[in-house]
Amino acid sequence: DTGVSQDPRHKITKRGQNVTFRCDPISEHNRLYWYRQTLGQGPEFLTYFQNEAQLEKSRLLSDRFSAERPKGSFSTLEIQRTEQGDSAMYLCASSLEDRQETQYFGPGTRLLVL
Amino acid sequence: KQEVTQIPAALSVPEGENLVLNCSFTDSAIYNLQWFRQDPGKGLTSLLLIQSSQREQTSGRLNASLDKSSGRSTLYIAASQPGDSATYLCAVPTSGYSSASKIIFGSGTRLSIRP
Repeated sequence: DTGVSQDPRHKITKRGQNVTFRCDPISEHNRLYWYRQTLGQGPEFLTYFQNEAQLEKSRLLSDRFSAERPKGSFSTLEIQRTEQGDSAMYLCASSLEDRQETQYFGPGTRLLVL
Repeated sequence: KQEVTQIPAALSVPEGENLVLNCSFTDSAIYNLQWFRQDPGKGLTSLLLIQSSQREQTSGRLNASLDKSSGRSTLYIAASQPGDSATYLCAVPTSGYSSASKIIFGSGTRLSIRP
């Protein structure tokens, strides 16, 4: 499978715990995006990378959230001290650096904070 | 600030009908507009991408139109099938003509095709 992959697909955690999600983009894509989606809503932008550089962060990305893309390939999204409001689907997407290119989305990681 | 609205929020029609999903956006300075499909609990699949210079795009039974001046797009689905049941999302880049391409999504239209 040469698409975007995300791991894990599901995560249940207790409030206050830390969680980390991983995204592997399509191999030749230099842009990588993280979105969050709650029930009944469209995805909301969190942050994006061009190669290893994090170029933009949404105000939704509080200081409990951190994302990295250390070698410009896979990316991790960590949430510290999880809260019930963090429960959502976390989607990763990748694309080429071209305004005409669509973003290709992974299957998402569904997080439930109890 | 760009806002994307989709109407209706949900739609249920019998199999075989032609249908139209609507999308509106507040800032007409967009570089492109995309329609995505999302199955329950799954990621997004890009259906059609319309560049700002285009008025429509077609893929099989799907046709998307774009009217930048009025801030509207429609997705037309011909001869609907139960397999078309999904949520359809409209999305536009937030940065106009810059190279940054984060996307603003509408809330989606949840479509159900009854056999």
